[in-house]
Amino acid sequence: GDSVTQMEGPVTLSEEAFLTINCTYTATGYPSLFWYVQYPGEGLQLLLKATKADDKGSNKGFEATYRKETTSFHLEKGSVQVSDSAVYFCAPLTLAGGTSYGKLTFGQGTILTVHP
Amino acid sequence: DAGVTQSPTHLIKTRGQQVTLRCSPKSGHDTVSWYQQALGQGPQFIFQYYEEEERQRGNFPDRFSGHQFPNYSSELNVNALLLGDSALYLCASSANLDMVQYFGPGTRLTVT
Repeated sequence: GDSVTQMEGPVTLSEEAFLTINCTYTATGYPSLFWYVQYPGEGLQLLLKATKADDKGSNKGFEATYRKETTSFHLEKGSVQVSDSAVYFCAPLTLAGGTSYGKLTFGQGTILTVHP
Repeated sequence: DAGVTQSPTHLIKTRGQQVTLRCSPKSGHDTVSWYQQALGQGPQFIFQYYEEEERQRGNFPDRFSGHQFPNYSSELNVNALLLGDSALYLCASSANLDMVQYFGPGTRLTVT
């Protein structure tokens, strides 16, 4: 079945440090790829997406590139802020066989803490 | 523009009881998906509704059932609650054939 492996957390960084959270996936076909972020006590917010190979998704300084050859979608940010502290989830959206609708498969999440 | 809303926010139930959770999708969305997020884990797909029918289902027992209404809102029902059903239940809505799912704030269910 589909699965996602995310970088083990928690990740602790100082403000303005560079962030990388690794994500690799196993899925049927060529799924669309998403990063969601979850702040304490809240639901998931869409951070960015990429729908085909070599696409780069970006939002709020975060970026991730769809790498089909390595089935990866690593999240990066050049300079993190305290407000980026949250849990980050990588999720491919895989289509039900022969259809055009899908479900998200989530990794275990990576906890990011940024200190001033 | 209201986003996805869910009710109630929190719920405490006893083992063996039944529970109903509710979700209103984002305006313009007609597809609702439900996910279960255990503490410290990523969400797991329960099922998806479109045109008032269950369109696809994850690996959850029949104790988990749902419904979608003509106004696209949805309910998740869980019968014969187990301690292991304690989790955050997330509803996500999307426009049919659109890849992006938008999540609500969730309902925290505690089973004692």
